Amino acid sequence: NAGVTQTPKFRILKIGQSMTLQCTQDMNHNYMYWYRQDPGMGLKLIYYSVGAGITDKGEVPNGYNVSRSTTEDFPLRLELAAPSQTSVYFCASSYRQGSSQSGNTIYFGEGSWLTVV
Amino acid sequence: EDQVTQSPEALRLQEGESSSLNCSYTVSGLRGLFWYRQDPGKGPEFLFTLYSAGEEKEKERLKATLTKKESFLHITAPKPEDSATYLCAVPAYSGAGSYQLTFGKGTKLSVIP
Repeated sequence: NAGVTQTPKFRILKIGQSMTLQCTQDMNHNYMYWYRQDPGMGLKLIYYSVGAGITDKGEVPNGYNVSRSTTEDFPLRLELAAPSQTSVYFCASSYRQGSSQSGNTIYFGEGSWLTVV
Repeated sequence: EDQVTQSPEALRLQEGESSSLNCSYTVSGLRGLFWYRQDPGKGPEFLFTLYSAGEEKEKERLKATLTKKESFLHITAPKPEDSATYLCAVPAYSGAGSYQLTFGKGTKLSVIP
């Protein structure tokens, strides 16, 4: 059972470099998300997507871009990396969102550890 | 503003010593309260969803309960393998008909043999 798969697991970037974090899910979920997790700060939503071709900003979108060309894939692009983007990034997906029924459970990937030096 | 607060931040228990973790929330119209477990170096792993006050769910040594203002995660006779950070989250309205999970900062549980 693959679920949500993220790559790479670890990456060190130099300030000003760019990179893409890859995320794919095999659960046929409509909704996909990118979160970042900083020590003592909890999970913060960066971007989300409600389906192929539709994306929207979350709480902390600055410095990131996303695209959703297929249901399965939701890559996160970091442009001009800054030390403030050193964090752990989690991709996640769910079938529904914000419903009072089952199916809105969000499932997470294993995380990508990014260090910007 | 919608908010989720977890307490305590950290909890150390002896093996077999039962206790409870707290998650208090302030949202308009609860659309589920989620509990996750996160091990070091891993992504959050889903445990429970509770939808209405009075609801309870159990899994092994864990039992989650929900009131109109808070949720408790009760841990009965914990074992060292229960050591992890436990996260609580609720969907909060973010505009344009969209609801996004708002997470608490978590409770780090350590169970000592």
